[in-house]
Amino acid sequence: SQTIHQWPATLVQPVGSPLSLECTVEGTSNPNLYWYRQAAGRGLQLLFYSIGIDQISSEVPQNLSASRPQDRQFILSSKKLLLSDSGFYLCAWSGIGNDLGQGGAYEQYFGPGTRLTVT
Amino acid sequence: DAKTTQPPSMDCAEGRAANLPCNHSTISGNEYVYWYRQIHSQGPQYIIHGLKNNETNEMASLIITEDRKSSTLILPHATLRDTAVYYCIVKGDSWGKLQFGAGTQVVVTP
Repeated sequence: SQTIHQWPATLVQPVGSPLSLECTVEGTSNPNLYWYRQAAGRGLQLLFYSIGIDQISSEVPQNLSASRPQDRQFILSSKKLLLSDSGFYLCAWSGIGNDLGQGGAYEQYFGPGTRLTVT
Repeated sequence: DAKTTQPPSMDCAEGRAANLPCNHSTISGNEYVYWYRQIHSQGPQYIIHGLKNNETNEMASLIITEDRKSSTLILPHATLRDTAVYYCIVKGDSWGKLQFGAGTQVVVTP
């Protein structure tokens, strides 16, 4: 079966410090990978998605970046955190890899999340 | 992708069926209806999806109207652990992002 891991579970960082959040998926190959953020009391916002190694698309302009150095590894980074970067960060995967527009339904499976507080 | 409308909140008694409505009047022919839920402080959990026919799995049933402009998620015997925000999402058949709206906050009471 497939599992998705995220770490750390919680993180407190000062403004201006760097950030690195990691997500790994087990039990599947060539997944689509996603980073979402949920601010306190708000809905989920898609930040980045990836259809393959080194193929990253950004949804929202911000001071965050994402990388996918391996097929099942997705990393969210920042060089200098802002107070507004606080939130609940979620990684997700879906089962269709590079079959763009091939039709059919798919589901996204989410990791446990990282709660980031920027002070 | 089509927009969805859900009530902001609803209560349900433990052991009773919970019927969660969703309107998606602009849905197009190749768009699926997905349901997810998010328990407090956890990541969203996939529940069920459907295209035209009603669907049932171990978690819930999904009833889609014949014109596909609305649907209902049914939790047959609600438990306290079903307290969560439930999201109805309409998504086309291409891969890609899910647009999460505000959802329905469901509170199951003893």
